[in-house]
Amino acid sequence: KQEVTQIPAALSVPEGENLVLNCSFTDSAIYNLQWFRQDPGKGLTSLLLIQSSQREQTSGRLNASLDKSSGRSTLYIAASQPGDSATYLCAVWEYGNKLVFGAGTILRVKS
Amino acid sequence: DAGITQSPRYKITETGRQVTLMCHQTWSHSYMFWYRQDLGHGLRLIYYSAAADITDKGEVPDGYVVSRSKTENFPLTLESATRSQTSVYFCASSRGDTQYFGPGTRLTVL
Repeated sequence: KQEVTQIPAALSVPEGENLVLNCSFTDSAIYNLQWFRQDPGKGLTSLLLIQSSQREQTSGRLNASLDKSSGRSTLYIAASQPGDSATYLCAVWEYGNKLVFGAGTILRVKS
Repeated sequence: DAGITQSPRYKITETGRQVTLMCHQTWSHSYMFWYRQDLGHGLRLIYYSAAADITDKGEVPDGYVVSRSKTENFPLTLESATRSQTSVYFCASSRGDTQYFGPGTRLTVL
């Protein structure tokens, strides 16, 4: 059974810092890995999708990497802003388009 | 507007009652999903559907029933609600490499 773990569970940083969120998974037979953002009381917004054949994806200040062999992914956020405060969820894609989620990292960026 | 909607957004019910949560998408995506989100667990898959009239269990299906007679609708029914089913429920649809999530339904079972 696939298990996805996210570390740290919560993170508080001053504005402007670069930061890294970690995601690990137990079964490397994944199709894709996806990072989501969730604002309080809201649904999920897709940030980046890394296909299994790719090593990384970038969008603006966000960069996500994937190492299937070690079962790890990282989300790098450059020059953090208060508007980045949210919960970040990592999810791996399994056969049948099913997602297995981690519990998330709650990020607070202080101004 | 196109997208994925859920109703109701908030629901309070009592133990033992039947509750149906609605999900509607306008894209005609083949796949649809129901997740529940609980503190410390992230999102867990309840049921999913690959197409109309095709459904399958996810990680936590006990106590839930789904149907999909039309591509655009995927209702989730709690046949006899229990307090442990208090949660936030998210519906999603996908085509290709992207899943789109609804805004969620916050269900409280007293």
